[in-house]
Amino acid sequence: AQRVTQPEKLLSVFKGAPVELKCNYSYSGSPELFWYVQYSRQRLQLLLRHISRESIKGFTADLNKGETSFHLKKPFAQEEDSAMYYCALATSYNTDKLIFGTGTRLQVFP
Amino acid sequence: GAVVSQHPSWVICKSGTSVKIECRSLDFQATTMFWYRQFPKQSLMLMATSNEGSKATYEQGVEKDKFLINHASLTLSTLTVTSAHPEDSSFYICSAQEGGLRDNEQFFGPGTRLTVL
Repeated sequence: AQRVTQPEKLLSVFKGAPVELKCNYSYSGSPELFWYVQYSRQRLQLLLRHISRESIKGFTADLNKGETSFHLKKPFAQEEDSAMYYCALATSYNTDKLIFGTGTRLQVFP
Repeated sequence: GAVVSQHPSWVICKSGTSVKIECRSLDFQATTMFWYRQFPKQSLMLMATSNEGSKATYEQGVEKDKFLINHASLTLSTLTVTSAHPEDSSFYICSAQEGGLRDNEQFFGPGTRLTVL
């Protein structure tokens, strides 16, 4: 079965430190991976998707099919990055259905 | 970006009653809408996918007679929790997209917190 695993429930760093939020997926086909972010008291919103290969708000994520990972990285964390981050997977046979991980809360301290 | 609204934002009801939650796309035509359920400190679980004018496709384990979904127009989908019980208490989130996810973005509503007494 398809699955998305985010092993860390909470990640705490100081401002300016590098950040890596881990995401691993289980799917034998060709996946589409996404990162969604939810700031405090706001709705879920798309941060980035692997096919666009963009850097959004300084965040990047590279799809590693060998390791079945899609880790989210930022070289220098900012306080405003504090939020809940969800990794999500869409499969090639149902490209509209998103399978979410359990999320990682990022806390960036001043 | 596009906006998806939900109404109400929270609702409290008695056990055995039915509750209707609305999801609207405000500035785009949502050919597909999704309903998710989120338990505290857990992930979003897809309940069903609905395409305008068609019957909803429910995920395994979701009772379609319990959670009635109607997607009568390109801007409105409703989720009715019938004969609600305390175990139905949860955070319900809808999302919507115009066209396929491969070329478009799925926009999320703010969620509706349902508490069944």
